[in-house]
Amino acid sequence: DVKVTQSSRYLVKRTGEKVFLECVQDMDHENMFWYRQDPGLGLRLIYFSYDVKMKEKGDIPEGYSVSREKKERFSLILESASTNQTSMYLCASSWGGTGIFGAQHFGDGTRLSIL
Amino acid sequence: AQKVTQAQTEISVVEKEDVTLDCVYETRDTTYYLFWYKQPPSGELVFLIRRNSFDEQNEISGRYSWNFQKSTSSFNFTITASQVVDSAVYFCALSEAGVTGGGNKLTFGTGTQLKVEL
Repeated sequence: DVKVTQSSRYLVKRTGEKVFLECVQDMDHENMFWYRQDPGLGLRLIYFSYDVKMKEKGDIPEGYSVSREKKERFSLILESASTNQTSMYLCASSWGGTGIFGAQHFGDGTRLSIL
Repeated sequence: AQKVTQAQTEISVVEKEDVTLDCVYETRDTTYYLFWYKQPPSGELVFLIRRNSFDEQNEISGRYSWNFQKSTSSFNFTITASQVVDSAVYFCALSEAGVTGGGNKLTFGTGTQLKVEL
């Protein structure tokens, strides 16, 4: 089975802190994704990556950055955390390649609170 | 722009009732995929089904069935004889081809909270 592991289930940080959320997958997937989930808004794509060191902005990239130095690991960075970034963050991975519509497999999520 | 609409915010049923979750989508692509995911209270999204735009056959898997109709841009999900363990948030999603090598970005609906009570 595909395993996507997010480093923390719950995280509490303070306004202005630099926050790192880590995600690791064990299926050699090319694509990795970061979403945030908010009530009434569903899942919104923040950033995604289709290869090592490659990244693409999603629908709501403002205030976030990402890093993908190794194929299995995709990090989401909040450069200066703000209270409106309090949310559930979900990482996903999938097979890559144009035209390949593989199902995305998700981690358990990180519930991040910014005080 | 791609869009997925799940008009039902919350549905409550009694165990053993059948329930249908609606999903309507918008896309200009001729090739696309539709997905359903389940999110139980534990939080992890669980993949249920993927259907491509060229396959309109209905699909049944145990108590689950899916009705894909391109004419109405709908991909509805029915649970037969619902059980308490079916209680979860269900998301419908649409995949676009993408312009980069990676492809398969997902656009999600806002989800339907299903509560199955005894």
